[in-house]
Amino acid sequence: EVHLVESGGGFVQPGGSLRLSCAASEFTVSGTYMNWVRQAPGRGLEWVSFIYTGDSTYYADSVKGRFTISKDNSKNTLYLQMDSLRPEDTAVYFCARGSQGSIGRFSFYYMDVWGKGTTVTVSS
Amino acid sequence: SYELTQPPSVSVSPGQTASITCSGDKLGDKYVCWYQQKPGQSPVLVIYQDNKRPSGIPERFSGSNSGNTATLTISGTHVMDEADFYCQAWDSSNVVFGGGTRLTVL
Repeated sequence: EVHLVESGGGFVQPGGSLRLSCAASEFTVSGTYMNWVRQAPGRGLEWVSFIYTGDSTYYADSVKGRFTISKDNSKNTLYLQMDSLRPEDTAVYFCARGSQGSIGRFSFYYMDVWGKGTTVTVSS
Repeated sequence: SYELTQPPSVSVSPGQTASITCSGDKLGDKYVCWYQQKPGQSPVLVIYQDNKRPSGIPERFSGSNSGNTATLTISGTHVMDEADFYCQAWDSSNVVFGGGTRLTVL
């Protein structure tokens, strides 16, 4: 069964760093769109970042310059390096597999497999 | 940046039809997908490419998209369908979520 398992969450002070991991099973992250999506307590879903190939990475404006997404194809694992953390980064972080393409002149993107999430708390 | 707007809440009686809207500028020119999220759980994809259902999603879930509005329709709503629903689209290599709609079945 296709599976994603996140780890690495925890408690960190403002300005600190954390690295999240997401291990994939029964599919390869190589050549696959992989995402991080977060959900602050009591709030909606917020897309954070996705990676396709090593130099094809995109970030939400709220994390650009502070977070770095990467993947290790040999370990079949996705990562999110989070630096300069702020209290507003407090959230459950989900990793998700994405699918992107075009039909005619319209593009689509959806996420069909999600992990259970890992919790990040940024507080002094 | 592109924005998607959803009503905060929708209520429906069991067995009735629930409609959840998602609005955005020329949204009909984009493909929309929908996620269901129950409390304490991860989101689940229920509709992709406007109106396609992933394997395992009941036929009572359907979608449409035209003009500036996409709609998720749940026919014959079950109590177990109570959840938060999020629309999502792709705009200029960015993933955009709607703010979410809480569906209450009572």
